[in-house]
Amino acid sequence: DAGVTQSPTHLIKTRGQQVTLRCSPISGHKSVSWYQQVLGQGPQFIFQYYEKEERGRGNFPDRFSARQFPNYSSELNVNALLLGDSALYLCASSSPTGTPGAQYFGPGTRLLVL
Amino acid sequence: KNEVEQSPQNLTAQEGEFITINCSYSVGISALHWLQQHPGGGIVSLFMLSSGKKKHGRLIATINIQEKHSSLHITASHPRDSAVYICAVRSKGAQKLVFGQGTRLTINP
Repeated sequence: DAGVTQSPTHLIKTRGQQVTLRCSPISGHKSVSWYQQVLGQGPQFIFQYYEKEERGRGNFPDRFSARQFPNYSSELNVNALLLGDSALYLCASSSPTGTPGAQYFGPGTRLLVL
Repeated sequence: KNEVEQSPQNLTAQEGEFITINCSYSVGISALHWLQQHPGGGIVSLFMLSSGKKKHGRLIATINIQEKHSSLHITASHPRDSAVYICAVRSKGAQKLVFGQGTRLTINP
């Protein structure tokens, strides 16, 4: 069974541009969470979606938005990119019927803003 | 003060040494995760704990709920254990994980 997949793996953008990152959860997982990891720091929670509804939001500006599709895949959008948005963006999926609290991470998308 | 604090931030040891990484947290939790992150970014879940102790191969994780403290131990360390080890907690009633800043472990041959 495939794990969590993310695309693209790497991305280079310039300041002011917009970016869309994609995540496909493990089959059967209905919850997707997004995290931002700036170099040298631990990941920070951005969003959680469950059954296509936002269930949690971290301390990120409105330039960050996300959505979840009927097939439970998810997109993270970042508008008006800043240099400080350069980071590894991680997606994690989980299932309420699986091990409680277990999250399965994708390989991440590395975003560089120039 | 961060909700999750790890120590040390960096650790260098010789192959074969016994390694301990510590994690302290300040909130009531429903679960604590130990994660491993190799260069390139991929995160692998090592353990999820809510009490007691778990062992997987050369890795042992313990948690003391009363003291809000967890440790990750590596026995007979090997250069392939070199990675960043991250502690993350899930607060009671919350869905999100709160991460520590990570411990960069380097095992020299």
